[in-house]
Amino acid sequence: TQLLEQSPQFLSIQEGENLTVYCNSSSVFSSLQWYRQEPGEGPVLLVTVVTGGEVKKLKRLTFQFGDARKDSSLHITAAQPGDTGLYLCAGSRGTSYGKLTFGQGTILTVHP
Amino acid sequence: EAEVAQSPRYKITEKSQAVAFWCDPISGHATLYWYRQILGQGPELLVQFQDESVVDDSQLPKDRFSAERLKGVDSTLKIQPAELGDSAMYLCASSLAQNYGYTFGSGTRLTVV
Repeated sequence: TQLLEQSPQFLSIQEGENLTVYCNSSSVFSSLQWYRQEPGEGPVLLVTVVTGGEVKKLKRLTFQFGDARKDSSLHITAAQPGDTGLYLCAGSRGTSYGKLTFGQGTILTVHP
Repeated sequence: EAEVAQSPRYKITEKSQAVAFWCDPISGHATLYWYRQILGQGPELLVQFQDESVVDDSQLPKDRFSAERLKGVDSTLKIQPAELGDSAMYLCASSLAQNYGYTFGSGTRLTVV
């Protein structure tokens, strides 16, 4: 059983469209991270959110941590083919970052 | 930019054989993690080191897997004997301490035939 559930599992869109990926749990996390992974490579950290309700923006990417710190979302505006990849959310429980528990990932494909 | 080094990048081995993976974390990073990632899924923690000590190996199949970080720097993960179900990407990550974010290596893609 996944502690973190991501949805959708697959997303195929056209260049220029907007999209949102969700990460949900019944557990409270002290922090949550989002990673992007390309085929054959390790995950690369995009952002860390630690405060309930926190919103962080990274160019066309907007990350939000739920008020209760049980869920998070990643919104991409005007998607580009270079955004294609596996997006992973990962949560840490307790008072420090420590060990991360990963969701199963969302595979995003952006077509030119 | 500092990187986590892993080798080999790819490994094909026959079932029942032994296989080993190596990881060199970012210099000064006390915490080292080995994760296994099956295709299409998120990574799952196998073992976590703090310096040379194991702090979490609850998900490590200890009958066939072993991990060591003798001098608290680089680390080796071994599988003996390998089984078909061990085919996966093995990722190493390091962090400055348990309170800091991860940097992942590029992984070792293992195929057991």
